[in-house]
Amino acid sequence: NAGVTQTPKFQVLKTGQSMTLQCAQDMNHNSMYWYRQDPGMGLRLIYYSASEGTTDKGEVPNGYNVSRLNKREFSLRLESAAPSQTSVYFCASVTILAGYNEQFFGPGTRLTVL
Amino acid sequence: RKEVEQDPGPFNVPEGATVAFNCTYSNSASQSFFWYRQDCRKEPKLLMSVYSSGNEDGRFTAQLNRASQYISLLIRDSKLSDSATYLCVVNTGNQFYFGTGTSLTVIP
Repeated sequence: NAGVTQTPKFQVLKTGQSMTLQCAQDMNHNSMYWYRQDPGMGLRLIYYSASEGTTDKGEVPNGYNVSRLNKREFSLRLESAAPSQTSVYFCASVTILAGYNEQFFGPGTRLTVL
Repeated sequence: RKEVEQDPGPFNVPEGATVAFNCTYSNSASQSFFWYRQDCRKEPKLLMSVYSSGNEDGRFTAQLNRASQYISLLIRDSKLSDSATYLCVVNTGNQFYFGTGTSLTVIP
């Protein structure tokens, strides 16, 4: 099992460019999440998908869109990148069970917007 | 008010020391609690879940106090390899809320 994979690992964009961050998991988890991590801010939730076919906004959704393509894949799109979106982006997956919900994270995408 | 608050540190301790991290959460309806470890520029990884009865895994002990909405992590006999950032995580409904992390450096 590869667990959670993310592509690309690194990306540099110019302001106004668009791109899609890809995430896939092979653990048959129902829920998938996109976070961003900035220095001193911890991980903040951008969007999540509790199950295939559903998506919901998190704490910081502005400037992003998501697609839950199927149970395995959850992509994050930046339509018009801004320098404020320079961050490390982590995708995670989990099956919500009573009493135990371990999140598994991908290795992250380091994005710089110039 | 933030969902989860923790002391950012940094904590610099000698090898063999005991160190404790604390965390508070704001939503009394939160149902699951965790400590994650994050190494520099890497993804977070689960260290341990936290249960009301307290739980221990080797040198690590986690405690939850629901009445005070408080979570703790105790590391005994610190090793150099324990140097990392420790994240307090709270699960409420379908969402997970992260503290900003506490940085630990264990010094030889």
